[in-house]
Amino acid sequence: DIVMTQGALPNPVPSGESASITCQSSKSLLHSNGKTYLNWYLQRPGQSPQFLIYWMSTRASGVSDRFSGSGSGTDFTLKISRVEAEDVGVYYCQQDLEFPLTFGSGTKLEIK
Amino acid sequence: EVQLVESGGGLVQPGRSLKLSCAASGFTYSNYVMAWVRQAPTKGLEWVASISTGGGNTYYRDSVKGRFTISRDNAKNTLYLQIDSLRSEDTATYYCAKDRDYGSSFDYWGQGVMVTVSS
Repeated sequence: DIVMTQGALPNPVPSGESASITCQSSKSLLHSNGKTYLNWYLQRPGQSPQFLIYWMSTRASGVSDRFSGSGSGTDFTLKISRVEAEDVGVYYCQQDLEFPLTFGSGTKLEIK
Repeated sequence: EVQLVESGGGLVQPGRSLKLSCAASGFTYSNYVMAWVRQAPTKGLEWVASISTGGGNTYYRDSVKGRFTISRDNAKNTLYLQIDSLRSEDTATYYCAKDRDYGSSFDYWGQGVMVTVSS
């Protein structure tokens, strides 16, 4: 199985500052078609997960451009610019290169 | 508007069975791969199973193979998860999720249904 490892944030993050969340996969997620099969989700407190980014760097419909994804085949970063109160929650990375689909353990974002 | 509404959860004794349902609306259900993802209390997300558009292909995580069965009824726009031989470690909120398109990323999620396995 592909293991997804997420880093922690130096919480709390001051409002208006940027936050970068890291995720590492145990296997390259770069497919032969040139796409990298890495997704990001946000789970706000008490809510269902919300889709943020797919193919490592493509924002899902309706997602603020304050969210951006980047990385290589095994190392990924979700950057949140100008953090706001509504960004609070747990962020998960997920690989969909192969089954079983696997998620990272989550990274909690708190705002000051 | 896409809506996914789960039902069928509850408190169940170990070894018993349960069937979860997910009613879908707001999109052409038969065109999309669907999945179940669970989250144990205070824990992270864990993919459980996925099913192809026509239902002919199913995929499971190892820990549920042989006990869980994912199915769908495209005429009723409904996804199911039959859970047999329930164990305490199956205690979780179960989310129904819609696949975005190619690959297995999930662009819409239900509100979740709680399953508690306890004697």
